[in-house]
Amino acid sequence: AQSVSQHNHHVILSEAASLELGCNYSYGGTVNLFWYVQYPGQHLQLLLKYFSGDPLVKGIKGFEAEFIKSKFSFNLRKPSVQWSDTAEYFCAVNGKGGGNKLTFGTGTQLKVEL
Amino acid sequence: KAGVTQTPRYLIKTRGQQVTLSCSPISGHRSVSWYQQTPGQGLQFLFEYFSETQRNKGNFPGRFSGRQFSNSRSEMNVSTLELGDSALYLCASSLEVQAPYEQYFGPGTRLTVT
Repeated sequence: AQSVSQHNHHVILSEAASLELGCNYSYGGTVNLFWYVQYPGQHLQLLLKYFSGDPLVKGIKGFEAEFIKSKFSFNLRKPSVQWSDTAEYFCAVNGKGGGNKLTFGTGTQLKVEL
Repeated sequence: KAGVTQTPRYLIKTRGQQVTLSCSPISGHRSVSWYQQTPGQGLQFLFEYFSETQRNKGNFPGRFSGRQFSNSRSEMNVSTLELGDSALYLCASSLEVQAPYEQYFGPGTRLTVT
C-alpha cells in the first residue's frame, strides 16, 4: 500500500528564513508527486507537481521541490518565507496510470512570524 | 471560470441518519474525486468517478457510496451515520488533458454527526 510521511507537523519560522519541509513516500511503482497548500479559510490548491524529467520542479509563489528517487523523497523548499506563507502544506502521491487517487501526508502546519 | 462547488457547506445530522452531499465540478472536467479530511486521519481518498463510472475506490465501508451524472456532477451518500463520520468532505475535479492531472478542490462540506 502506498503511504506518505511528513515528519514536520508544526514549523514556526521568522520572515525571511529559509524553509524545507520533508516528504517521503512508499509506493511500489512509478509515481507522480504533488505539494498542495491550504491557506487559512481557503481551498486546497496545488503548489507544484512532478511527473518526469528534471527532478527539481518550481511552483507558484517561489516554492520548489526536489525529487530524489533513491531516497523516495520530495522535499519542499523556499529560500525566504513571508508571513503570507502561513498555511498547512500537504505532500501527495499517486501511481502513474492509477487515475486521480491521491494519497496525502498528514500535513505540516507552517506559521511565519513577523 | 467557476470553481468546484459543493453543497451544502455545513450539515448537522444525527447518528443513524443518512446524508447526501453534492459536488459540481469545473465546467468540462469529467473526473470527480472525493476525500474525507479529519484531524486524526488527515486527508483520505474515498472514491473517484470518471464519465459516470467509478474508477477508484478507497478503503471505506460500504456505507459510503457515490455516483456521477451525465453532466459530471457527483453525489456521495453516507448511510447509517456514525459519530466518526464527522469530517470535512472535499470534492476535487480534474480535466485530464496532460498528466499529471491537476485536481482542483472545492471548499468542502463540513458534516457534524451528533
